Amino acid sequence: ETGVTQSPTHLIKTRGQQVTLRCSSQSGHNTVSWYQQALGQGPQFIFQYYREEENGRGNFPPRFSGLQFPNYSSELNVNALELDDSALYLCASSLGDSRHRDEQFFGPGTRLTVL
Amino acid sequence: AQTVTQSQPEMSVQEAETVTLSCTYDTSESDYYLFWYKQPPSRQMILVIRQEAYKQQNATENRFSVNFQKAAKSFSLKISDSQLGDAAMYFCAYRTSTGNQFYFGTGTSLTVIP
Repeated sequence: ETGVTQSPTHLIKTRGQQVTLRCSSQSGHNTVSWYQQALGQGPQFIFQYYREEENGRGNFPPRFSGLQFPNYSSELNVNALELDDSALYLCASSLGDSRHRDEQFFGPGTRLTVL
Repeated sequence: AQTVTQSQPEMSVQEAETVTLSCTYDTSESDYYLFWYKQPPSRQMILVIRQEAYKQQNATENRFSVNFQKAAKSFSLKISDSQLGDAAMYFCAYRTSTGNQFYFGTGTSLTVIP
């Protein structure tokens, strides 16, 4: 059973640029959630994808967007990067049925630095 | 709005001793779920324990147990027989019964002293 993987591990961008982060869900999982974790803070929910459709969104502006592919891997795209976007971005996969919805398996994260 | 508060930014415990991490939350919902997650220095978040609000019995997972006080909106984590591998950031989290969004606290950094 393959765990959740994320790429890249680290990324440095400048203000105004765009970035794409990638997540491969655990084998058999059809749901991916993305979180932003600023330094010294808990993770903040960005959005969730279930079977390729957005299935809930936190308080993040539209320049944060995502995709989920038929193999359930996912991308997080951030446009017009701002300094405050510097954070650890975590993805978590789970089975979307009600019985397993809480069993999120987290990836190691992507550390994004915006200069 | 749901909020989760962890008032202890840092805690320490002697190896083999017991430590309790505090968490309070604010919600108007009657049915929800509460969680404790562990984030070691390697960053990969791991679920420690889960509690359903409709269950009065406190959840237990080996050395980890919770004290769930629904009326007080309190959800503390007790770690018994602390081990060096327990050193990590611990996050309390909340989810409504119908929603998909998890709300996390700001975390408690636990140090285990040999």
